[in-house]
Amino acid sequence: EAQVTQNPRYLITVTGKKLTVTCSQNMNHEYMSWYRQDPGLGLRQIYYSMNVEVTDKGDVPEGYKVSRKEKRNFPLILESPSPNQTSLYFCASSKLPSTDTQYFGPGTRLTVL
Amino acid sequence: DAKTTQPTSMDCAEGRAANLPCNHSTISGNEYVYWYRQIHSQGPQYIIHGLKNNETNEMASLIITEDRKSSTLILPHATLRDTAVYYCIVRGLTGANSKLTFGKGITLSVRP
Repeated sequence: EAQVTQNPRYLITVTGKKLTVTCSQNMNHEYMSWYRQDPGLGLRQIYYSMNVEVTDKGDVPEGYKVSRKEKRNFPLILESPSPNQTSLYFCASSKLPSTDTQYFGPGTRLTVL
Repeated sequence: DAKTTQPTSMDCAEGRAANLPCNHSTISGNEYVYWYRQIHSQGPQYIIHGLKNNETNEMASLIITEDRKSSTLILPHATLRDTAVYYCIVRGLTGANSKLTFGKGITLSVRP
């Protein structure tokens, strides 16, 4: 089954403790991206990647890092999480960035205390 | 900033058609209209997209006005499972314009 998976689905952590949220897709898509969703602010793009070893900042990249060493994986790294990063995070992928459909993962709900 | 405006919410009766409007008066000639929906904090789900012709698939129909300044998503026979936030998005083909920019969407409530 074609899908985007994220792990963990739920995470409660404390300020400053490094964490990684994994994202994997099995559709051989070149394009992958991360979004965060907050009440009243909608979905905002954090980072995106056009292909292996090619990443770029989205609208709200501060406090996040990403890597794209393999086509299928696009982890989101929070080196020193802070409470304002408490949010619902979505990973997405598509074949091409322009007109192709983006497929979204199920979401990761992160709480930073 | 989102390039579209949608009502905040609407409702319809189960089994009836749901017509969701969207205004995109500043759309340019090479920009597409996309619709996604999000059911209760799940990942957004693609519904349909179009450039200038009307489009139909197994989920919905998209009617785009001739001047392309507005469109309507039609769910022909709404069910309770169609209750969701529906996002109308204008998207270009290349560069920064090709990014999916989600606005606040319209909350559709389907009542029994």
